[in-house]
Amino acid sequence: EEQLVESGGGLVQPGGSLRLSCAASGFSFSNYDMHWVRQSTGKGLEWVSTIGTLGDSYYPGSVVGRFTISREIATNSLYLQLNDLRAGDTAVYYCARARGSYRSGVYYGMDLWGQGTTVTVSS
Amino acid sequence: ESVLTQSPGTLSLSPGERATLSCRASQRVSSRFLAWYQQKPGQAPRLLIYGASSRATGIPDRFSGSGSETDFTLTITRLEPEDFAVYYCQQYGSSPLTFGGGTKVEIK
Repeated sequence: EEQLVESGGGLVQPGGSLRLSCAASGFSFSNYDMHWVRQSTGKGLEWVSTIGTLGDSYYPGSVVGRFTISREIATNSLYLQLNDLRAGDTAVYYCARARGSYRSGVYYGMDLWGQGTTVTVSS
Repeated sequence: ESVLTQSPGTLSLSPGERATLSCRASQRVSSRFLAWYQQKPGQAPRLLIYGASSRATGIPDRFSGSGSETDFTLTITRLEPEDFAVYYCQQYGSSPLTFGGGTKVEIK
């Protein structure tokens, strides 16, 4: 069964750090781009970061310089290092796999998602 | 940045009715890079449509997508009870990847 399982969320003070993990199983992890997407309570979806199959990474302006995405092919694991956290980073964080993007000329969408892990930034 | 605006914000319909959801982009988006997702409370999003009109694996044919450039549509021909949810469009034809604000389809 293809599956993504996030972990590592929790309560952290403003300015603090957290490392999220996403364990992939049941598919060839190295063949997919991987994304982190977050959702604040009652709000919409917000893209947080992407790592390509070659390890190239991308971020929106809201998190660049604070968040770092990485992947470990040997253990089928995806990570998101969150630094200098702010109240506005409070959300459920989902990992998702996808194939393609504007870089490859075709996009097949995020077809597998984890259940999410909750990050709460509060003093 | 390509901003996606979804309308209406809420759609109140009865089971069996047709739902038409709109997604308008602030910049031209190639249809190859437009996707639609469904999200139910407490669940992760589920991919419905990619490439503006291709159904993802296992998605029933009552769901269809259409459109091009700046105007895209998700149509649900006959609403089933399990279709009442929030729907998001998303583009990845340029960076940053963006989502629309969502349309909630609720039971009338």
